[in-house]
Formats: sequence, C-alpha cells, structure tokens
Amino acid sequence: AQSVAQPEDQVNVAEGNPLTVKCTYSVSGNPYLFWYVQYPNRGLQFLLKYITGDNLVKGSYGFEAEFNKSQTSFHLKKPSALVSDSALYFCAVRDNAGNMLTFGGGTRLMVKP
Amino acid sequence: DGGITQSPKYLFRKEGQNVTLSCEQNLNHDAMYWYRQDPGQGLRLIYYSQIVNDFQKGDIAEGYSVSREKKESFPLTVTSAQKNPTAFYLCASRNGVGGGVNEQFFGPGTRLTVL
Repeated sequence: AQSVAQPEDQVNVAEGNPLTVKCTYSVSGNPYLFWYVQYPNRGLQFLLKYITGDNLVKGSYGFEAEFNKSQTSFHLKKPSALVSDSALYFCAVRDNAGNMLTFGGGTRLMVKP
Repeated sequence: DGGITQSPKYLFRKEGQNVTLSCEQNLNHDAMYWYRQDPGQGLRLIYYSQIVNDFQKGDIAEGYSVSREKKESFPLTVTSAQKNPTAFYLCASRNGVGGGVNEQFFGPGTRLTVL
C-alpha cells in the first residue's frame, strides 16, 4: 500500500523568503504525486502534479515541486513567500490502479510579514 | 472550488439520527469521492465511485452509506452507527476518461456537528 509523510506539522517563514514544505512517499510502481492547498473552512485546491519527465514541476501561484526518486521525496517550494500563502498544504500519492489518492497529514504554512 | 457543490455548509445532528450530505458536480466527471477531515489529520477516504451505480468502500466506510444513481450526484449518508461523526466532509470528483493522471477537484465541504 502507498503512503505519504509530511514530517513538519508547521513551517514558519518570513515574507519574501523562500519556502519549502517537505513530503516523502512510498509506492510500488511509478509514483504519481500531487500537492493541494486548503484555506480555512474551504475545500482543497490543486497546485501541481508529477507524472513523469522533468523533476521540477511548476504549478499555480508561483509554486513548484522537486521530485527526487532516490530520496522518494516531492518537496513543495516557492522562491518568495507571501502572507497570502499561509494555509494548510497536503501532499498526496495516487495508487497504482489510478482510483484513489492517499494524503499526508498536512503541513500548516505560516508566512509572517 | 470548481463545479462541485456541497450542501449544506453546516449541519447539526442529534445523536441517533441519520443525515445525508449532498454532493453535485457539473464537470461531467466519472469518478467521485467522499473524504473525512479531522483536526490535525489528513483526509481519509470514506467511499468512492468510478461509474454510475457502482461504488467501493474506502478506508473508513463503517457507519456511512452512499449511492450513485446519477453521474453528477454522490450523496453521503452518515448513519447512527457512526460513533464519532463530527468532522469536516469533503467531496471530490475526477475525470477518468482517457486514462490520464488527472487530479481530483474538491467541493467546499460540509461541517457536521453532533449535538
């Protein structure tokens, strides 16, 4: 069975600084990985996904993620954080049958002015 | 939140009552999903459906039931057998056509509180 770990419950960053939200995964077969963001009392919004190819994936709102097969990681990054980026971020991996996503526990990002 | 609507936004239930949460999508997506979210935890899959009139249990199906009579609708019933139903419930859909690796789109959620 597949699994996802987000080792940090919370990440604190100053506005304008780069940010990284960590994610590691375990899955048999090809990894298909996703990042979502959730604002308070809202549904999840899709940010980006890795299917194959370039290890650096670019997504919405200036976010990108770096896929590292040897480290089984898919860290979310942004060169310059905004206060409005403060939210809950989820990493997810798709099962081999393509039917389900398994989510990590989430990381709360706090960007301070 | 795309073309997925969930209602109501807030729902209060007395112990021992069944309640039904609505989820409708106008994206023409084949697959639909129900998740439960508790504070400090990630999303856990309750049920999912790949096509009309078919659905499968997820990781925490006990105490819940679903139906998929129409492609655009996937209601979730929280039964009295669910011991701790207070949570935030999220519905999602995905385009399953073509075999691509398609992302799931989420509705705005329903917050259920048992009084």
